[in-house]
Amino acid sequence: EAQVTQNPRYLITVTGKKLTVTCSQNMNHEYMSWYRQDPGLGLRQIYYSMNVEVTDKGDVPEGYKVSRKEKRNFPLILESPSPNQTSLYFCATRTSGVTDTQYFGPGTRLTVL
Amino acid sequence: AQSVTQLDSQVPVFEEAPVELRCNYSSSVSVYLFWYVQYPNQGLQLLLKYLSGSTLVKGINGFEAEFNKSQTSFHLRKPSVHISDTAEYFCAVSDGRRGSARQLTFGSGTQLTVLP
Repeated sequence: EAQVTQNPRYLITVTGKKLTVTCSQNMNHEYMSWYRQDPGLGLRQIYYSMNVEVTDKGDVPEGYKVSRKEKRNFPLILESPSPNQTSLYFCATRTSGVTDTQYFGPGTRLTVL
Repeated sequence: AQSVTQLDSQVPVFEEAPVELRCNYSSSVSVYLFWYVQYPNQGLQLLLKYLSGSTLVKGINGFEAEFNKSQTSFHLRKPSVHISDTAEYFCAVSDGRRGSARQLTFGSGTQLTVLP
């Protein structure tokens, strides 16, 4: 079954404590990305990756890091989380072809106190 | 750069009534257009997409949308809604040019609530 998995699904942490949200896909997709969803703002892209070792900033990259060392994984790293990073985070994947369908993970709800 | 405006943040409608969710976009280049649905506590699921060809696009669950280039709109419609259609709906646009990274830009979402 085609899947995008995220872990953890829920996380409560404190300001400044480094955390990583993992994203893994089994569809062999080249393209992966991270979004955050906030009420009234829709989804905004944080970072994306066109392939292994190729990453680029999205619209709201400040305070986040990513890495793409292997095709299936695309972790999101918050080195020093702050309360304004409290949000719902989604990982998504897509092939490089023209079908353009993005497949979304189930989401990670992060609360930074 | 592209932008998307969803004109209604909340749309309440009675069961079996028709519904239209409005979406307008802005872009200086050709675009691809999408509608995604998000059920409570779930990720986003593609409803339908316009890449090229016929401007009337049919999607899953009886939804359809029409691409209107002159009005830069991509409104979503369903002739008869069910309680199970209650969800948040997102319109999205990407750069349609060959070779572009085709990043998705989302609207702010429309909460559709179907009332019994």
